[in-house]
Amino acid sequence: SQQGEEDPQALSIQEGENATMNCSYKTSINNLQWYRQNSGRGLVHLILIRSNEREKHSGRLRVTLDTSKKSSSLLITASRAADTASYFCATEETSGSRLTFGEGTQLTVNP
Amino acid sequence: NAGVTQTPKFQVLKTGQSMTLQCAQDMNHNSMYWYRQDPGMGLRLIYYSASEGTTDKGEVPNGYNVSRLNKREFSLRLESAAPSQTSVYFCATAWGPITYEQYFGPGTRLTVT
Repeated sequence: SQQGEEDPQALSIQEGENATMNCSYKTSINNLQWYRQNSGRGLVHLILIRSNEREKHSGRLRVTLDTSKKSSSLLITASRAADTASYFCATEETSGSRLTFGEGTQLTVNP
Repeated sequence: NAGVTQTPKFQVLKTGQSMTLQCAQDMNHNSMYWYRQDPGMGLRLIYYSASEGTTDKGEVPNGYNVSRLNKREFSLRLESAAPSQTSVYFCATAWGPITYEQYFGPGTRLTVT
């Protein structure tokens, strides 16, 4: 079964607005990663946050991690039409050496 | 640098046919992975190779075999294709098996009729 579950499944916003996506998981993790997938393409790594970190920034991206609630959020500020893509969270469990991906959030940014 | 390359890009098979998907990387990464992605779903791990000379099963290994040919190449073989194996297959690489980001190839779109 999937370790991570994203919420919402789909999100449609206007250019310039902020987009927030959430990820929940079930077991203890070493780290949580966010990836982006443009239609018909491979996944691209966005950001990695370790279990002992609470927040991380990269450009217009802000990721938070709450290990007590087993949840993470990805915030994209001042969104652009080019941000339209699917966003996936992936967790690396403490018991394993591989990533488990969620089902993704489809983000549409309307110009 | 090409990064992670996959061949072929598209393939149509009949039920029962066999084929091998190829993945090559020029990133000098130690770990390589094969995933499948079905419509509206995330990626599911088929097999992985944490380092050259080792391979391990992932979440959905049935119907597949893999070969880590050398550090650069990791192939996925379907011995007897079934319609349930219709999917998009992605190869990925990472510096190591733990706490490293993964780099993905462009994918192979496979249809089994």
